[in-house]
Amino acid sequence: EAGVAQSPRYKIIEKRQSVAFWCNPISGHATLYWYQQILGQGPKLLIQFQNNGVVDDSQLPKDRFSAERLKGVDSTLKIQPAKLEDSAVYLCASSLSRGTLNEKLFFGSGTQLSVL
Amino acid sequence: AQKITQTQPGMFVQEKEAVTLDCTYDTSDPSYGLFWYKQPSSGEMIFLIYQGSYDQQNATEGRYSLNFQKARKSANLVISASQLGDSAMYFCAMREGRSNTGKLIFGQGTTLQVKP
Repeated sequence: EAGVAQSPRYKIIEKRQSVAFWCNPISGHATLYWYQQILGQGPKLLIQFQNNGVVDDSQLPKDRFSAERLKGVDSTLKIQPAKLEDSAVYLCASSLSRGTLNEKLFFGSGTQLSVL
Repeated sequence: AQKITQTQPGMFVQEKEAVTLDCTYDTSDPSYGLFWYKQPSSGEMIFLIYQGSYDQQNATEGRYSLNFQKARKSANLVISASQLGDSAMYFCAMREGRSNTGKLIFGQGTTLQVKP
């Protein structure tokens, strides 16, 4: 079974530029998550989709971050304009559903973003 | 307030010895699930073990076991017979039953180095 695919693997941009990350979850997984992991910290949830609807975006900086999952499969996370503090690893994860306590999340390898 | 606390930023262990990674959590929800993930330098988060709040026995998965002390609100990960490949960051995470999103909340992580 193919895992969660993310691209690009690395991205370096200057502040105020825009950037986009792509994620393709495991086939059949209804729930998709974008996490931000700043160096030395644990992942922080940015946005969660159930199929193509947003379930939780309470910690997404909506003035600069946006995300979509138009057909309920792959997803794109965009930052525009980027700030220095956006330097982090952006992890995408998916799960079959969100309904059970023991539901595991499966993660991609992440996109490492450096904002100069 | 921090929901998940991992107080050990870094740990060393000799190869073939056992090591315990600490995790304490904070919730008033009687129904919750606790997870441990491993993050090697490649970046992908790998699921290790799960413990439900109502589980009577401590969870075990191969060389991994969870020392679950409900009254103390701790869920420490025990790795037996450490191997060089166990060198990685380890994250404790929690899902609360009352959460309608089912999101996982992560701790800050512990870096484990296994010495040959």
